[in-house]
Amino acid sequence: DTAVSQTPKYLVTQMGNDKSIKCEQNLGHDTMYWYKQDSKKFLKIMFSYNNKELIINETVPNRFSPKSPDKAHLNLHINSLELGDSAVYFCASSQDPSGTGDEQFFGPGTRLTVL
Amino acid sequence: SQKIEQNSEALNIQEGKTATLTCNYTNYSPAYLQWYRQDPGRGPVFLLLIRENEKEKRKERLKVTFDTTLKQSLFHITASQPADSATYLCALEGAGGSYIPTFGRGTSLIVHP
Repeated sequence: DTAVSQTPKYLVTQMGNDKSIKCEQNLGHDTMYWYKQDSKKFLKIMFSYNNKELIINETVPNRFSPKSPDKAHLNLHINSLELGDSAVYFCASSQDPSGTGDEQFFGPGTRLTVL
Repeated sequence: SQKIEQNSEALNIQEGKTATLTCNYTNYSPAYLQWYRQDPGRGPVFLLLIRENEKEKRKERLKVTFDTTLKQSLFHITASQPADSATYLCALEGAGGSYIPTFGRGTSLIVHP
């Protein structure tokens, strides 16, 4: 069984569109994350939720809005997509919040291409 | 600003040798340092955690050292195998308020049969 799953795996869209990426974890973890990995392979944290509460919100344009309907789900909605948003987006989860050294379990990633 | 450096050039070694990867950091006092493995087209997978008060950690063929004076971690894979070929990322986390996990860009390891 997949521990952290994301849909879709690939997303190709036009500039200006709005899109969503969904993430689900079946590990019973309390904390979930969204990361962006750009073409230079840097993995940068965007958001983190702990028990459905936003605890990390890095300098991300407010076109990006995370939503956590429950502890097992963290979705990412992106408005008015731009070329620079093209990247691989990873969802992750951990039992304890960051700052505890707890290992993170990553999803398979969503490759977003904005044309 | 905080910076993590991992060798951007791929490390090529022969099967059976020990691979050593380096993670250097500046302007950071991490409480935890983790190593992850990432295969092409997949998410990172956790390998090892070492805490700031630990010098060395081992797990099977893997060994991690953590020198907070040099601000460096070394990651060793002994008796390397072609299946160890992947990109290895180090990640740092602070404590006491500095909760943002920060990843290096990773070093690609290629083990030749």
